Order: sequence, then structure tokens, then C-alpha cells
Amino acid sequence: DTEVTQTPKHLVMGMTNKKSLKCEQHMGHRAMYWYKQKAKKPPELMFVYSYEKLSINESVPSRFSPECPNSSLLNLHLHALQPEDSALYLCASSQVTHYEQYFGPGTRLTVT
Amino acid sequence: AQKITQTQPGMFVQEKEAVTLDCTYDTSDQSYGLFWYKQPSSGEMIFLIYQGSYDEQNATEGRYSLNFQKARKSANLVISASQLGDSAMYFCAMREGGKLIFGQGTELSVKP
Repeated sequence: DTEVTQTPKHLVMGMTNKKSLKCEQHMGHRAMYWYKQKAKKPPELMFVYSYEKLSINESVPSRFSPECPNSSLLNLHLHALQPEDSALYLCASSQVTHYEQYFGPGTRLTVT
Repeated sequence: AQKITQTQPGMFVQEKEAVTLDCTYDTSDQSYGLFWYKQPSSGEMIFLIYQGSYDEQNATEGRYSLNFQKARKSANLVISASQLGDSAMYFCAMREGGKLIFGQGTELSVKP
């Protein structure tokens, strides 16, 4: 079963709100990723967790805060976002960082 | 710097015909991996096929095959017997360290 789940599917938030995106996988994968994707563009890597430790942060603004509570869960905490942060946020996982990544369906975020 | 180039922003193919999506890459590494992903309008990125730099045979997965020409640094995706459900965005990607570098994508439309 190559399934990565993400909740919520859609999220609308104001610039002063605090919200969280959730990602879950039960494939025993030890690497998890957050990507941001604008329409008609490729995904842009934000964060990589390897064995529950943050291994890559692609200079993402601090208003995005990742968290990996255990090997199956990955959260992205959002605070004081800007309208330009509106995008599709994709979570992915892989066995370890060099293997193929399996993506979730994404969360479509709109910041008003 | 490593990069991926997809020169076809959009393509059309008739149902049941084969289609080739182009991808060239640039790397000085000896060991690397190449991936193709499909992204329908729903947003989920679907892993299609993988080719390792040391693999001597071209990768195949069902109707998908990867035409790997190492000397030319190309890794084209061939879809045989196109179906209407193949209409989607297709991304070529290369592994760089612990992350994937994506090309700009090719939007494929299959005509009935």
C-alpha cells in the first residue's frame, strides 16, 4: 500500500490565523518531505526529515514550522502567512532519502 | 549546478498512439537517479518509473518505458497506447543528495 494521506484537502486562512497541515504514512518510510507547488510549476522542496530529524530546510521563512512527532507523522504549522503563500502543499515519503518518493494528494491553501 | 530540462511545455497525442516526453539532465555525478512523475488535475503526484545511472537496461513499468541515453544525458519517457486518463502534467526529476530536482513539466493532452 503506497498511500500518503494529507488533511485537510482545502484550507482558507487569514493572515493572522494559526493552522496546521497534517501528513501520515504507514509504509515504514523513514524520510518525509514538504513541498510547495504553484499552478503549472514544479514542486519546490521546503523541508526534509530523515529518521525523524530535520535534515534539509530550503531557507523557508519561519512562518512555516515543520514537526515530525514520530516516524509516521509530519506536520506543517502555519502562522502569519502572506497571500503569496497560497499554493498546493504536498507531503511525500520515501524508504530513505535516496529512494522514490510517494506523494499525498496535497492541501490547497488559500491565504486571504 | 545540476538541472533538469523539459523542452515541451505542452503536447497532444491521439488516443491509442505512443508518445515520447523529452527530458535532459545535467550532472557531473557518476551516481544519480532519474524519475518520472504524473500529476493529474487533482494534484497528486504519482510515481511512474525510475532509472539508476548504473542500470544497463532501460526501465519499464507497464505502458511506461524510459529511454535512457547516458552519453546524451537524456531520459525520455515513452507512453505506449495512450489513454484518455493519461492526460496530465508530467515531471522529470533527478536525485541530488537527499532531494529531487524537478523539470518544468510537460502537459500532455490525449485526444479521443
